[in-house]
Amino acid sequence: AQSVTQPDIHITVSEGASLELRCNYSYGATPYLFWYVQSPGQGLQLLLKYFSGDTLVQGIKGFEAEFKRSQSSFNLRKPSVHWSDAAEYFCAVGLNTGFQKLVFGTGTRLLVSP
Amino acid sequence: DVKVTQSSRYLVKRTGEKVFLECVQDMDHENMFWYRQDPGLGLRLIYFSYDVKMKEKGDIPEGYSVSREKKERFSLILESASTNQTSMYLCASRTSGSAGANVLTFGAGSRLTVL
Repeated sequence: AQSVTQPDIHITVSEGASLELRCNYSYGATPYLFWYVQSPGQGLQLLLKYFSGDTLVQGIKGFEAEFKRSQSSFNLRKPSVHWSDAAEYFCAVGLNTGFQKLVFGTGTRLLVSP
Repeated sequence: DVKVTQSSRYLVKRTGEKVFLECVQDMDHENMFWYRQDPGLGLRLIYFSYDVKMKEKGDIPEGYSVSREKKERFSLILESASTNQTSMYLCASRTSGSAGANVLTFGAGSRLTVL
């Protein structure tokens, strides 16, 4: 069965520093890959997605993610973090055949220090 | 702005009560989903619906049921609420178009506390 691992429960980054959030998945083929962000008290908002093609995808709010097939990873990056980026981030994978159900990781909470 | 609306943001219920969580989307989406979100567990799929009157169990359906009588509305029902159902409940929807466009739009969530 497909699964998603986000190994970091919490990450603290200084404002202006770079950020990388890790995501590894387990699936026999190339899945659809997503990153969502959840601000406090809110639902999830899509940051970016990968379906095929260029393995470096750009998203909203200055985020990008790189799909690495050899490592089964889809890590999220941002070159310079802003205080407003403090939130919880979820990686998700979906089957690329049939009715697609998403499997979510357990999330990484990002704290931004001044 | 298109949206998914969960009418109750915060609910407090007592053990044994019947609870209805309502979700409405204005995007004419065919597919709708109910997830629960718990710390350290991420989002887990409770039920989903392909289309009107269609429903399928997700990964954790026990203790829940759903209703989809109209395309825009997907209700989650807790027949007899228990304390272990205290959680954040998230509704989502998406078009059933090509898989490549398959992106979920989420509501803001309903935080349920069962005493």
